[in-house]
Parts: sequence; C-alpha cells; structure tokens
Amino acid sequence: DSGVTQTPKHLITATGQRVTLRCSPRSGDLSVYWYQQSLDQGLQFLIQYYNGEERAKGNILERFSAQQFPDLHSELNLSSLELGDSALYFCASSTISPPYGYTFGSGTRLTVV
Amino acid sequence: DQQVKQNSPSLSVQEGRISILNCDYTNSMFDYFLWYKKYPAEGPTFLISISSIKDKNEDGRFTVFLNKSAKHLSLHIVPSQPGDSAVYFCAASVSGNTPLVFGKGTRLSVIA
Repeated sequence: DSGVTQTPKHLITATGQRVTLRCSPRSGDLSVYWYQQSLDQGLQFLIQYYNGEERAKGNILERFSAQQFPDLHSELNLSSLELGDSALYFCASSTISPPYGYTFGSGTRLTVV
Repeated sequence: DQQVKQNSPSLSVQEGRISILNCDYTNSMFDYFLWYKKYPAEGPTFLISISSIKDKNEDGRFTVFLNKSAKHLSLHIVPSQPGDSAVYFCAASVSGNTPLVFGKGTRLSVIA
C-alpha cells in the first residue's frame, strides 16, 4: 500500500457520460498530480494541485476538470466521454514539489464503451 | 513533442546478466531525473534518481548514469533478477515547481 488511495479501481461507462475519479493523497502530502496513461503512451501529465490551489496544467482537455478539497483529497471529473478517453488514470502525491519524486496510487482503469 | 524518449519499447535479458535501459531528453532545462518501475495493476514506484550535478548514482543493484552533453541517461541493473521484470519509466523535471515529464516506458523481461 503506497498510501495514495484511488477509487474506483475500474469504471465502465458509455460515451457521452460523466465520471468522477477520486484520490486521497499520502498523509502529509500537499501536492496532488493527475496523469493519464493511454495504450502505448507514457504517463501524460494532466494537472497539479497544491494545498487546494491549481499549480500547473498539462495536456488536460476542456472536458476534464479537477479540484482539491480542504481535506486535500482530489477529484478528477471527466465529461462528455469519448472512446479515446479510455485509459488508466493515476494520481500521485508529494510532500513538496519535484524533484523529490512522487508516490503513485494504483490507478483507475476507465473504459468508455 | 516528446521531451523524454525511451526508444526501446521492450528488452529481454537473461537472469544474472546486466540490463541497460536507455532514455534521451530534449529539454536542456531538465536538471533532475528519475526512474520508476511499474508492475501490472499497480502504480509506478520510485526506483532511483540523479541530479544534473552528478553523472552517476548507485543504489544496490541499480545504477543511473547521466551524460548531460548527450542528453542521455541510462539505468543499469546488475545482476538482473526475474522480479525485475516490469515496465520502467524514465522521468525528468526542472527543479522548482514543474511536474515530472515521463517517457513511454520500456518493458523489461528477465528470463530465468
């Protein structure tokens, strides 16, 4: 157990739907990062939050949004889902900014049918 | 525009031999590099890192080498063990507040 909890582990939904992925960071970590891993792709950075504030944005689609709550858990909202959104979504947390490395959760596998 | 490239999607090595995984980067601002290992159905786990002020960092069976002039780093695993079979990701960062940039990964298979 890495200390980073992601729920659900698996999600199957239809095109056009909206889903919410949840992440609880490791105790004491203030930064939360979301990454997407599609087939044959590396880990693509989506967005970072630090202590409730958006810190950095990567290749995140406008249909996707995220937030970090006062208790530091984070949610990634994916809407108007398309088949191409099927991927593994990882959350990671860190105590301070890089380069000290992240602790990853085990991911949420999203399948859009 | 891939800033971190792992050009070998897979690598197969005999148990006991050396595994060498390679990574190239294009952004000269990167000054910290990390390797992560990922088993199926698990998230990536941190393996070893190196700062740009060094050219080598060793941790047990794992050694990372950095060649800044070539913008190249490599991970050496000696001796390789079957439990090392996993996907290895190279990642880089500009120290400060930039998120890690990952390569696509190399799948290592260590054959007994």
